[in-house]
Amino acid sequence: EAQVTQNPRYLITVTGKKLTVTCSQNMNHEYMSWYRQDPGLGLRQIYYSMNVEVTDKGDVPEGYKVSRKEKRNFPLILESPSPNQTSLYFCASSSGLASQQYFGPGTRLTVT
Amino acid sequence: AQSVAQPEDQVNVAEGNPLTVKCTYSVSGNPYLFWYVQYPNRGLQFLLKYITGDNLVKGSYGFEAEFNKSQTSFHLKKPSALVSDSALYFCAVRGLNSGGYQKVTFGIGTKLQVIP
Repeated sequence: EAQVTQNPRYLITVTGKKLTVTCSQNMNHEYMSWYRQDPGLGLRQIYYSMNVEVTDKGDVPEGYKVSRKEKRNFPLILESPSPNQTSLYFCASSSGLASQQYFGPGTRLTVT
Repeated sequence: AQSVAQPEDQVNVAEGNPLTVKCTYSVSGNPYLFWYVQYPNRGLQFLLKYITGDNLVKGSYGFEAEFNKSQTSFHLKKPSALVSDSALYFCAVRGLNSGGYQKVTFGIGTKLQVIP
């Protein structure tokens, strides 16, 4: 089954404790992206990747890091989480500019 | 910079009536436009897209959208609303930035409430 998986689905952590949210897709897609969803703000792009070792900042990259060492994986790293990073995070992948994105189930992160 | 506006936070419509969810966009170059739907506690699902060609595009669950280049709009429509259509709808534009990288911008979302 074609899918995008994210782990963990739920995470409660404390300020400053480094964490990684994993994202994996099995569709051989070149394009992958991370979004955060906040009430009243919609989805905002954090980082995206056009292919292995090719990444670029989205609209809200501060406080986040990404890497793309393999085509299927695109982890999101929070080196020192802060409460303003409490949000619902989605990973997505697609095959090209004209293609739809496939979204993961989301990761609800709470930073206290 | 590209942008998407969804001017209505919420749209209420009676079951059986036609519905419209509005979207306007701004992007350099050719627009690649998408509509996604999010049901409660779920991820986003693709509904339809406009890439080129016919201005009226049809998608999943009976939805369609009309692309209007002069008004830079891409409104989502359905002739007869169902209660099960109640959800959060997002419009998105995909374009190339100055570096040739693909960037995606979403609107803030419109909550559709279909009243029985």
